[in-house]
Amino acid sequence: AQSVTQPDIHITVSEGASLELRCNYSYGATPYLFWYVQSPGQGLQLLLKYFSGDTLVQGIKGFEAEFKRSQSSFNLRKPSVHWSDAAEYFCAINNAGNMLTFGGGTRLMVKP
Amino acid sequence: ETGVTQTPRHLVMGMTNKKSLKCEQHLGHNAMYWYKQSAKKPLELMFVYNFKEQTENNSVPSRFSPECPNSSHLFLHLHTLQPEDSALYLCASSQVRAGGSVDTQYFGPGTRLTVL
Repeated sequence: AQSVTQPDIHITVSEGASLELRCNYSYGATPYLFWYVQSPGQGLQLLLKYFSGDTLVQGIKGFEAEFKRSQSSFNLRKPSVHWSDAAEYFCAINNAGNMLTFGGGTRLMVKP
Repeated sequence: ETGVTQTPRHLVMGMTNKKSLKCEQHLGHNAMYWYKQSAKKPLELMFVYNFKEQTENNSVPSRFSPECPNSSHLFLHLHTLQPEDSALYLCASSQVRAGGSVDTQYFGPGTRLTVL
């Protein structure tokens, strides 16, 4: 069965510091991977996705993620965090057809 | 964000009430989804509709009844709910292509449901 693990439930970083959110997956075939962000009381907004090709993908709001098949990982990064990045971040994998499996999420807090 | 809209945004209901959640997508997609997001639990897929046909029911209790009258509208009818059904209900849509190839799901803002 496919699964997604986000090991960090909460992360706190200072504004301007770099950020890395971890995502590990378990899936037998070529994965399709996504990162979504959810602000309080809102739905999920797509940050970026990996389907194939270049393993380093760029997204919106200055985020990027790197697919590493050997490590079964798809970590999200940002070089300099802004206070408005405080939110919950979800990694997801596409399994059979058009269904997504989500990780448990990582809540990001940004210190001024 | 106007791609996927949901109404109402907040709903409080008693266990004996009947209510409906509405979702509308303006993206021209042919697949729609209902998800449940509870505190401290991962997002759970509830129902999938492809081309207006239900293709997935993820062991959801019968007190939740989905309806998809066309590819742009999706409803979730609620009756005799339990307090543990309180959650954020998210709707999403995507384009399913020939051969079932993957495409991105776009989410609405959700309906915050509280069952008293």
